[in-house]
Formats: sequence, structure tokens, C-alpha cells
Amino acid sequence: KQEVTQIPAALSVPEGENLVLNCSFTDSAIYNLQWFRQDPGKGLTSLLLIQSSQREQTSGRLNASLDKSSGRSTLYIAASQPGDSATYLCAVGGSQGNLIFGKGTKLSVKP
Amino acid sequence: SAVISQKPSRDICQRGTSLTIQCQVDSQVTMMFWYRQQPGQSLTLIATANQGSEATYESGFVIDKFPISRPNLTFSTLTVSNMSPEDSSIYLCSVETGLNTEAFFGQGTRLTVV
Repeated sequence: KQEVTQIPAALSVPEGENLVLNCSFTDSAIYNLQWFRQDPGKGLTSLLLIQSSQREQTSGRLNASLDKSSGRSTLYIAASQPGDSATYLCAVGGSQGNLIFGKGTKLSVKP
Repeated sequence: SAVISQKPSRDICQRGTSLTIQCQVDSQVTMMFWYRQQPGQSLTLIATANQGSEATYESGFVIDKFPISRPNLTFSTLTVSNMSPEDSSIYLCSVETGLNTEAFFGQGTRLTVV
């Protein structure tokens, strides 16, 4: 059974710092990996989708990497801003389109 | 992309009653899912809503408790039946426009059962 773990559970950084969020999964037979952002009362916003054949994806200040063989992904956020404060969720995609989520990392960026 | 409207955004319900949550998408989508997020927990898939046929439920979730309808490619409902305080969670609708594509989520329904 696939399990997804995110470390750390919470992170507080000063504005401007670069940071890395970690995600690990137990079964390397995944179709894709997605990173989401969850804001209170606003559902989930998709940040990056990495196909199983890809190694990384970039969008603006965000870069996500995928190492299937080791069961790991990282989300790198450059030059963090207070508006980046949210819970970041990692999810691995299965063959039927379903997603298996980690518990998330709650990020707080202090001005 | 897909824009999802989910209603209601929140509700407080009495135990023993039922609540139906609606999910409307602005375009036809092949894949539609319902997730639950219990307090302090990650999202868990309840079921895949299949157009024109019965939903496919994950282990631990049953049709009598969570009946799902999907009459067409843009709309689905999830009913939480005979509610108890343990059903207090955020329920989220999700769609994918194709297999192995980006997932889009509604804003969620925050349910509190008293």
C-alpha cells in the first residue's frame, strides 16, 4: 500500500530565504507526482505536476524534483515571501487517476 | 484547466441527518473524485464518480454511507448519510481532464456534525 510522508510537518522562515520541502513515497510505481498548495477555505491549488518519466519541473520561483528509484521528491521555493505561507501537499498519482496524499508541510514566512 | 464550483462551502448539521454536496465543473471531464480531509489528516479518496454507472469506492467507504451521483460529465453529488460527529471533515471534489494530467479541486465543504 502506497504511503506518502512529508517532512517537516511545519516550517517557519524569515522572508527571502530559500527553502526545501521533502516528500517520500514507499512504492516507486507511480504515474506522476503533484505538489499542491492549500489555503484555509480555498481548497487546493495545483503547483507542479511531474510525470513519472520526468526528473523536475519549474514554475517561477518553484522547482520540484522527482527521484522515483529512491521514492523522493523535493519542492524548492526560492526567495520566499509572506504570501507563500500555506500548507504544501505532495500527492502521488496512481493508474486510475486517484491521488495519495501526504499530511503536508505548514509553511510560515515571516516578514 | 477546469473551474469547479462546490456547494455548500460549509455547514453545521445535526447527527442522524444527511447532507448532499454538489460539484459543478465548467467543462466536460472524464474523471471526477471525492476526497475527505479529517482534522489534522491528509486527504483520503472516498470514491471515483463514474458517469452513467455506480461509483467506485475505496476500502473503508460504502455506498450506503456515501451515495454518489454523476448524471453527466460536468456534475456530481456526494451525500453524507446518517451523520455522526466522526463525519466532521472537509469534503473535496476533484477532476482531471485526462489520465495522468493535472488535478483540479473545488474549494471544499467544511462539515461539522453536532
